Amino acid sequence: GENVEQHPSTLSVQEGDSAVIKCTYSDSASNYFPWYKQELGKRPQLIIDIRSNVGEKKDQRIAVTLNKTAKHFSLHITETQPEDSAVYFCAADGGGNMLTFGGGTRLMVKP
Amino acid sequence: GAVVSQHPSRVICKSGTSVKIECRSLDFQATTMFWYRQFPKQSLMLMATSNEGSKATYEQGVEKDKFLINHASLTLSTLTVTSAHPEDSSFYICSASGGQKETQYFGPGTRLLVL
Repeated sequence: GENVEQHPSTLSVQEGDSAVIKCTYSDSASNYFPWYKQELGKRPQLIIDIRSNVGEKKDQRIAVTLNKTAKHFSLHITETQPEDSAVYFCAADGGGNMLTFGGGTRLMVKP
Repeated sequence: GAVVSQHPSRVICKSGTSVKIECRSLDFQATTMFWYRQFPKQSLMLMATSNEGSKATYEQGVEKDKFLINHASLTLSTLTVTSAHPEDSSFYICSASGGQKETQYFGPGTRLLVL
């Protein structure tokens, strides 16, 4: 089955700096890679996703890159703000619409 | 669009009782619903996948007789934790997908505390 690893587990940045979170996956058949943001006690919210037919996708301050050959994908947040502080999860589809999640990254943006 | 509700948001029960959690897709038809369990400061662990009108598929290590899942319609799935014990205390989250098939939208979660 699919295995997704996510790094770092915690990330602290100064407000205005960029944050990068990286994930690797094992199943070369995976072709859908969403990123979720989860605030404490709340539901995971889809913030961006990418499919395997593109290498990069951007939505305002958030971008995701995908390298299918190397089986890794990354989340980039620019001009971070305190409200970006949350836990971020990457995921990869393992077939049958199932998602396998990474272990999560706790992002802390210091004002 | 793509709103998923979950009820109740939190429940406290005595050991040995059963608890039912409902997950509803409010503005789309969910061909597939997923049930996850999340312990504090940990990732989402898939428990089972359910398709409308068929039996749920459980992940390895998840007891299907303890965690009963019913997906009777395209907008409703239920998870019943039978004979709950303190170790079942956790945050249970459902998600639903339909239409754009891979995308999953999450419910707000149910915090279960078994005394």
